[in-house]
Amino acid sequence: DTAVSQTPKYLVTQMGNDKSIKCEQNLGHDTMYWYKQDSKKFLKIMFSYNNKELIINETVPNRFSPKSPDKAHLNLHINSLELGDSAVYFCASSQRGIQETQYFGPGTRLLVL
Amino acid sequence: DQQVKQNSPSLSVQEGRISILNCDYTNSMFDYFLWYKKYPAEGPTFLISISSIKDKNEDGRFTVFLNKSAKHLSLHIVPSQPGDSAVYFCAAREGNEKLTFGTGTRLTIIP
Repeated sequence: DTAVSQTPKYLVTQMGNDKSIKCEQNLGHDTMYWYKQDSKKFLKIMFSYNNKELIINETVPNRFSPKSPDKAHLNLHINSLELGDSAVYFCASSQRGIQETQYFGPGTRLLVL
Repeated sequence: DQQVKQNSPSLSVQEGRISILNCDYTNSMFDYFLWYKKYPAEGPTFLISISSIKDKNEDGRFTVFLNKSAKHLSLHIVPSQPGDSAVYFCAAREGNEKLTFGTGTRLTIIP
C-alpha cells in the first residue's frame, strides 16, 4: 500500500495551459505539503495544509493554487504554465507535532514546452 | 539565504567502509534535524532524526551526530553497502515551522 501517492507521475504540456496534480495520503496524517525541486535539486516548500487549512504559503505565484478537499488529499492546480514551472513537484504528509516526520510521495515530473 | 548547507555535492566510498555525510546550518533556533535518502525517480524517504537536546542518535548502520556549538551535523553509515548509493538530504526545523532542506549529497558506494 502506497502511503503518499501522486498523479500523474509525468506531465508534459505546453506553455499557457492549466494543469492539476493530485496527492493522496493513507497514513491518517493531519498535515500535507507541496514541495518544488528545481533544476539545481533544491527542495523548497510551497504550501502546507493542516486539517484542510492553509498554514504555510511561501512566495509562490498566484498561478499556483492548492486545494484540500479533505485531510487525506491536497491537490495543486497551476494556471497559465510557464517554462520556469518545469520541475519535480513532491507531495508530503505528516502528523503535526514538535518532532514530526514528513513522508514524501514519488514526485510528479512536470515539463513545460 | 541558505540556512542548511551540504557543501559536498558528491562522495564516493568503498563498500564496507564508513560513509560520512556532513551538514552545516546557520539558524541557532533549529531544534530538530532529519536525514532523508532519495533514489532517482522516487521521493525522499526518511532515514533518521535527532533532537537538539541530544548529540547522537543511532539506528542500525546509521548514526547521526549533532554538534550544536559548531552548528554541524553528520550522518555516519557503517558498513556502507551498494544499496546506500543515493542522494542524502539534511533537513532542519525550528519548533513547528517549515522544514528547511540542504541541497543534497550524492553518495556512491563502490563495490
